[in-house]
Amino acid sequence: GENVEQHPSTLSVQEGDSAVIKCTYSDSASNYFPWYKQELGKRPQLIIDIRSNVGEKKDQRIAVTLNKTAKHFSLHITETQPEDSAVYFCAPFSGGGADGLTFGKGTHLIIQP
Amino acid sequence: EPEVTQTPSHQVTQMGQEVILRCVPISNHLYFYWYRQILGQKVEFLVSFYNNEISEKSEIFDDQFSVERPDGSNFTLKIRSTKLEDSAMYFCASSPIPGNAQHFGDGTRLSIL
Repeated sequence: GENVEQHPSTLSVQEGDSAVIKCTYSDSASNYFPWYKQELGKRPQLIIDIRSNVGEKKDQRIAVTLNKTAKHFSLHITETQPEDSAVYFCAPFSGGGADGLTFGKGTHLIIQP
Repeated sequence: EPEVTQTPSHQVTQMGQEVILRCVPISNHLYFYWYRQILGQKVEFLVSFYNNEISEKSEIFDDQFSVERPDGSNFTLKIRSTKLEDSAMYFCASSPIPGNAQHFGDGTRLSIL
């Protein structure tokens, strides 16, 4: 099965600064790489995803970069705002008959005012 | 935007009793999933369902669990003989196909007393 590691487990940044969260995975066959945001008591919400044939994708203040050789992908949030405070999960998809997402342990992002 | 809906939002049950959690996936999605999240931990895959049968299940999904699509819209998770450690948030998700974006419902908080 897929082994997923997320770093850091907690990240505190000043409002307006950038935040970067890294996810490493083990299965070289992984081909779909989503990031989910989960606010306290709420559902995981897909915020950005990328496929294995693309190296980078950007959506306003959020971007995801993929390094397939090194088997890691990262979430980048620029100009952070208080509403970015949440737990962020990566969930690489390996396919090959496996349907479910394998979630990382999450990164608690704290935006300091 | 279409959403996955789940009922009830909170279920309190005595240990040893059976519970049924209900989900209505997004209407044009073909794959349905159940995930579990114990408080403060990561989201864990339980089972996927396609074409009226289980497509994949994790080690967590033992004989205590079953899934069903009793009609054209509902997707249910049944937990028999509940245990204290079954207390968790249970999320339903759906996607057009595996390896595509999985959209989560708001979850059912299951509390076993």
